[in-house]
Amino acid sequence: GDSVTQMEGPVTLSEEAFLTINCTYTATGYPSLFWYVQYPGEGLQLLLKATKADDKGSNKGFEATYRKETTSFHLEKGSVQVSDSAVYFCALSGGTSGNTPLVFGKGTRLSVIA
Amino acid sequence: EAGVAQSPRYKIIEKRQSVAFWCNPISGHATLYWYQQILGQGPKLLIQFQNNGVVDDSQLPKDRFSAERLKGVDSTLKIQPAKLEDSAVYLCASSSSFQETQYFGPGTRLLVL
Repeated sequence: GDSVTQMEGPVTLSEEAFLTINCTYTATGYPSLFWYVQYPGEGLQLLLKATKADDKGSNKGFEATYRKETTSFHLEKGSVQVSDSAVYFCALSGGTSGNTPLVFGKGTRLSVIA
Repeated sequence: EAGVAQSPRYKIIEKRQSVAFWCNPISGHATLYWYQQILGQGPKLLIQFQNNGVVDDSQLPKDRFSAERLKGVDSTLKIQPAKLEDSAVYLCASSSSFQETQYFGPGTRLLVL
């Protein structure tokens, strides 16, 4: 079945550092890819998404590009802030079965220190 | 626009007891999902509704879990009897239709002792 693998955490960075969180997926067909973020004490929020190959999703300074050739959707940000501390989940939808429920990775906890 | 509402936010029960969670999706959203998030893992789908019909319940442990969405709006997820391994956060999400963005509620954190 479909699956998502993302880098193990936790990741600890200093403020203004560059962030990369790796995400790869396994699915046939043409899934949509997502990054969700979970801030402490809050629910999951959609951060960005891409629905077809070579699309770039972006929001709040975060970016990710849908790479079908490497089955990847890595999350990047050029300069992180303390307020970016959260758990980040990579997910896909509409893969092999064509169904729409999200399939999530295990999450990567990011801590940004001042 | 009001978001997805869930209650209660926290629940502690003993094993073999029953518990119920409630979800009110965003107004007008036809598709509703229940996910289970065990500590340290990503959410996993339990059941998906389209209006008041079940689309996918293949991962729902039907011997103890049940869910309904009467009138195609609110939904209730029930566990009876609860086991220790049911300790998790139960997330409700809704979308306007298939393949549209899912919006999540704050979740219900369940602890089974």
